[in-house]
Amino acid sequence: GQSLEQPSEVTAVEGAIVQINCTYQTSGFYGLSWYQQHDGGAPTFLSYNGLDGLEETGRFSSFLSRSDSYGYLLLQELQMKDSASYFCAVRSGNTGGFKTIFGAGTRLFVKA
Amino acid sequence: DTAVSQTPKYLVTQMGNDKSIKCEQNLGHDTMYWYKQDSKKFLKIMFSYNNKELIINETVPNRFSPKSPDKAHLNLHINSLELGDSAVYFCASSQDLAGVRFFGPGTRLTVL
Repeated sequence: GQSLEQPSEVTAVEGAIVQINCTYQTSGFYGLSWYQQHDGGAPTFLSYNGLDGLEETGRFSSFLSRSDSYGYLLLQELQMKDSASYFCAVRSGNTGGFKTIFGAGTRLFVKA
Repeated sequence: DTAVSQTPKYLVTQMGNDKSIKCEQNLGHDTMYWYKQDSKKFLKIMFSYNNKELIINETVPNRFSPKSPDKAHLNLHINSLELGDSAVYFCASSQDLAGVRFFGPGTRLTVL
């Protein structure tokens, strides 16, 4: 089967750095994605890691270690608007088709 | 221009009714999806279509019938609605192996 684990909630203060971890178990692994979702909104794509290492996009960075089945999302210089749910998701499949399976999400609260 | 659009945004209906949700993407992507997000914000893949062909059906009850008249459209018809079908349904699309990139705004379905 497939499973992803991420913390249910994280709280941090404005201006700080926060790391949201994700561990996964899946077959046919292709890559790990991260999405942000504000209350009442749709998920928005943040990043994708297909290879080991760090990907940086502005204040957000994402890391993947395929050998450890582990990744994280790093948010720097936190702002109040970063308060949202963050989902890790694995891309897996084979020639029969690919699918993106989501974790349960991490609720990030940013305090002033 | 909206990348992925869905109609309607809200749908309130009685148990036992039949309803449809429409989705269109103007990105030229080959792959489209339906996801269901429950009250605990868990995002579960339901269907995936590639170039109008069904490639993933995640053991969804056969009351749910997706239809893709062309690769830009993926509609979802639900027969005999049940209370447990109440959720937010997201359409999404992707083009490459990086997985789901764009989500529609969602359709909040409430079954009374």
